[in-house]
Amino acid sequence: DAGVTQSPTHLIKTRGQQVTLRCSPKSGHDTVSWYQQALGQGPQFIFQYYEEEERQRGNFPDRFSGHQFPNYSSELNVNALLLGDSALYLCASSLTGTANTGELFFGEGSRLTVL
Amino acid sequence: RKEVEQDPGPFNVPEGATVAFNCTYSNSASQSFFWYRQDCRKEPKLLMSVYSSGNEDGRFTAQLNRASQYISLLIRDSKLSDSATYLCAVNGGGGSYIPTFGRGTSLIVHP
Repeated sequence: DAGVTQSPTHLIKTRGQQVTLRCSPKSGHDTVSWYQQALGQGPQFIFQYYEEEERQRGNFPDRFSGHQFPNYSSELNVNALLLGDSALYLCASSLTGTANTGELFFGEGSRLTVL
Repeated sequence: RKEVEQDPGPFNVPEGATVAFNCTYSNSASQSFFWYRQDCRKEPKLLMSVYSSGNEDGRFTAQLNRASQYISLLIRDSKLSDSATYLCAVNGGGGSYIPTFGRGTSLIVHP
């Protein structure tokens, strides 16, 4: 049973650049959420995708955008990178509907460093 | 006031000790509560859900106090392998299944 997979695992960018992170949810899951975790902090909710639509969004600027594909995989795009965007970006998958227990299954994350 | 608050610690305890963490939340409409464990530079993994009646899984006990709006995690007979960060997560309530995480409490178990 494939878990949540993310790529790339590590990347280094410079200020002003753009980055795309990718996520494949756990087999059978239809909902993908993205979180940003800065060092020493808890994961902060960015947005959630279900049925290829952004269903809910956290307090992040429009520089953060995403997409969900028909196979439920997802991308997170960040434009005009700032030093403060350096963090671990976590993708979490879950089920929507009556099967939803509220539990999130996380990937290992993409560690972004902005120089 | 933050939605979900935790004491970041670190809690330094010897093997075999009992240690407890609390997590307070601000939204009284919250419906679901969880404890996740996160090892250094790894992803969070669900440790246990927290039920209204409290629940136990081996050495771990989780409890919910709705009146005071906090959840707790008790670890008995601590092992070296329990060293990790423990994150509490609270679903927003009002039909929202988006968990809000605390910043985590660091536990270090030493020999």
